[in-house]
Amino acid sequence: GQQLNQSPQSMFIQEGEDVSMNCTSSSIFNTWLWYKQDPGEGPVLLIALYKAGELTSNGRLTAQFGITRKDSFLNISASIPSDVGIYFCAGQIVTNSKLTFGKGITLSVRP
Amino acid sequence: KAGVTQTPRYLIKTRGQQVTLSCSPISGHRSVSWYQQTPGQGLQFLFEYFSETQRNKGNFPGRFSGRQFSNSRSEMNVSTLELGDSALYLCASSSGDREAFFGQGTRLTVV
Repeated sequence: GQQLNQSPQSMFIQEGEDVSMNCTSSSIFNTWLWYKQDPGEGPVLLIALYKAGELTSNGRLTAQFGITRKDSFLNISASIPSDVGIYFCAGQIVTNSKLTFGKGITLSVRP
Repeated sequence: KAGVTQTPRYLIKTRGQQVTLSCSPISGHRSVSWYQQTPGQGLQFLFEYFSETQRNKGNFPGRFSGRQFSNSRSEMNVSTLELGDSALYLCASSSGDREAFFGQGTRLTVV
C-alpha cells in the first residue's frame, strides 16, 4: 500500500543544533501531520498542516506543507535532550480518511 | 480535557486465544481509529469508526474486528491470536474533520 518515505532511519545531533527532517510521497496528500513518539507511549501530535505551501510553527518546531502536496518537512531549532524520540510524518488524502505513516526517524541528541 | 484512554496497557495472551482492547476517545470526538504498530511494518491502519459505523477498513484479516458504542467508546477484538499479532495497538480519536490524537496504546504480547 501507500507509504511515506522518511530517511535516514536515525539522526544524531549535538544539543543546541538545528535539525531538519523530510517526508516524501509518490501520491498527493491533502493533510500532513507530524508526530513524536517516546518509547512505550503513543504518538503525540506536533504540527498539523492543511494547505499546500503552509508554514506552521509550534515553539521550536516549524513544518511546511510542500507545494506539490507530495512532501513535507519538519525543522527543530536549538535542540534539547528532551527532543529525543521517534518522529513520524503522516498523510491524509481527505478529511476523515486513514492516516498513512512514514517509518519514522529516531533522533538522538548528544549533550 | 482528558485524552484518549486505552485499556489495558499491557496484555499477554497465548496463541489461539482471543483478546479485546478498549478505547475511550476524547470527550466530544465521534471518530475512533485503530492502528497496529510493529518494528517491521511500522504504523498500519486497521479500521475507523464514526457514529457506531465502520467507515474505513485497512488490509487486515477478518480475525481483526471492532465496534463502537453510542458513547463513542470503541473496542477491537482479535480472534485466534498468532505470534505475529504481537504489537502495540494504538487508538486515535478525532472530532471528524481535524487532526487525530492518539492514546498510549496497548502492548499485546502473544506467546
